[in-house]
Amino acid sequence: EAGVAQSPRYKIIEKRQSVAFWCNPISGHATLYWYQQILGQGPKLLIQFQNNGVVDDSQLPKDRFSAERLKGVDSTLKIQPAKLEDSAVYLCASSLESGGQYFGPGTRLTVT
Amino acid sequence: QKEVEQDPGPLSVPEGAIVSLNCTYSNSAFQYFMWYRQYSRKGPELLMYTYSSGNKEDGRFTAQVDKSSKYISLFIRDSQPSDSATYLCASHTGGFKTIFGAGTRLFVKA
Repeated sequence: EAGVAQSPRYKIIEKRQSVAFWCNPISGHATLYWYQQILGQGPKLLIQFQNNGVVDDSQLPKDRFSAERLKGVDSTLKIQPAKLEDSAVYLCASSLESGGQYFGPGTRLTVT
Repeated sequence: QKEVEQDPGPLSVPEGAIVSLNCTYSNSAFQYFMWYRQYSRKGPELLMYTYSSGNKEDGRFTAQVDKSSKYISLFIRDSQPSDSATYLCASHTGGFKTIFGAGTRLFVKA
């Protein structure tokens, strides 16, 4: 069974630029999550999708972050414009309903 | 107060030792409890997923939840150098907004 796929693996951008991350969850997983993990901290949930719909985006900085999940499968997370404090690893995870989450390898973002 | 707290370590043990990793949580509504292992520059890997109080065993790993004291534990028997990683505990109330601890770094010396 293929795991959660993410791309790119690494990205370096300057502040005020925009960036997008892509995630393909495990086949059949209805729930998809985006997390931000800053060095030395645990993952922080940014947004959670159930199929196409958003069930939690309370910690998503909506003035600069956006996410979508078209057709209930793939998802993209965008940051525009980026700030220095957005430097982190962005993790995508998926699960069957409310089960344990399976994570992708993450995208390491550096904002200079 | 953070909702899920872990001692960041590092915790260093000799190969073959029994390792005890612990978390405390503050939200009494948490019902589901998880342990993840994260190697450097990798995504977290689900180790254990439990519901409510009690013990769950899987190979060398045992997860223990005590809801009366809001305490979560992970025990690793016969620890191996390959167990060296950061261990994250996490909880949620039922499908929404999983809260992670900051992780405990474990080193198992050969």
